[in-house]
Amino acid sequence: AQSVSQHNHHVILSEAASLELGCNYSYGGTVNLFWYVQYPGQHLQLLLKYFSGDPLVKGIKGFEAEFIKSKFSFNLRKPSVQWSDTAEYFCAVRQTGANNLFFGTGTRLTVIP
Amino acid sequence: NAGVTQTPKFQVLKTGQSMTLQCAQDMNHEYMSWYRQDPGMGLRLIHYSVGAGITDQGEVPNGYNVSRSTTEDFPLRLLSAAPSQTSVYFCASSYFSGTGEKLFFGSGTQLSVL
Repeated sequence: AQSVSQHNHHVILSEAASLELGCNYSYGGTVNLFWYVQYPGQHLQLLLKYFSGDPLVKGIKGFEAEFIKSKFSFNLRKPSVQWSDTAEYFCAVRQTGANNLFFGTGTRLTVIP
Repeated sequence: NAGVTQTPKFQVLKTGQSMTLQCAQDMNHEYMSWYRQDPGMGLRLIHYSVGAGITDQGEVPNGYNVSRSTTEDFPLRLLSAAPSQTSVYFCASSYFSGTGEKLFFGSGTQLSVL
């Protein structure tokens, strides 16, 4: 069965620190990959997605993610976090051509001013 | 723990038919919610519940009803299905701690309305 692992449950950073959140998946076929963000008191929003092409994907608010097929990974990065990046981040994976998404359990990011 | 269980995984309806998407969680979470995912739009909140007997509307509630008679179950009902409701539906449950909300998602229900 497919699974998505986010090993960091809670990350605490100071403003301007660099961020990398891990995401690994278990499916061996072709996949689409997503990062969602949930800000406090709001519903989920799409941060970025990878379908094909350049494995380095740039999303909103300065976030980017790199798809490394050989490592089954899609880690999220940001060079310099801000207090407003405090949120819950979810990685999700979908088999190409299917619709069901498999979500990781999320990583809570707390940015200290 | 099974976590969040959604059934069915796939469903095809004709316009005007009704059906219920089931969602159950065994984590004793008070907060449960339903989202729909459409291409290019990410996830949108349909309805949510902050505890048994309490429900409220989210961003796109029209055409859907919910109820929360127990902590464990949060079914989503389509009273008269429309093609615009073709989507993938996700149920989630969550708890709140001092640092915010922790969400757990089901694996989704793919619904097609013809």
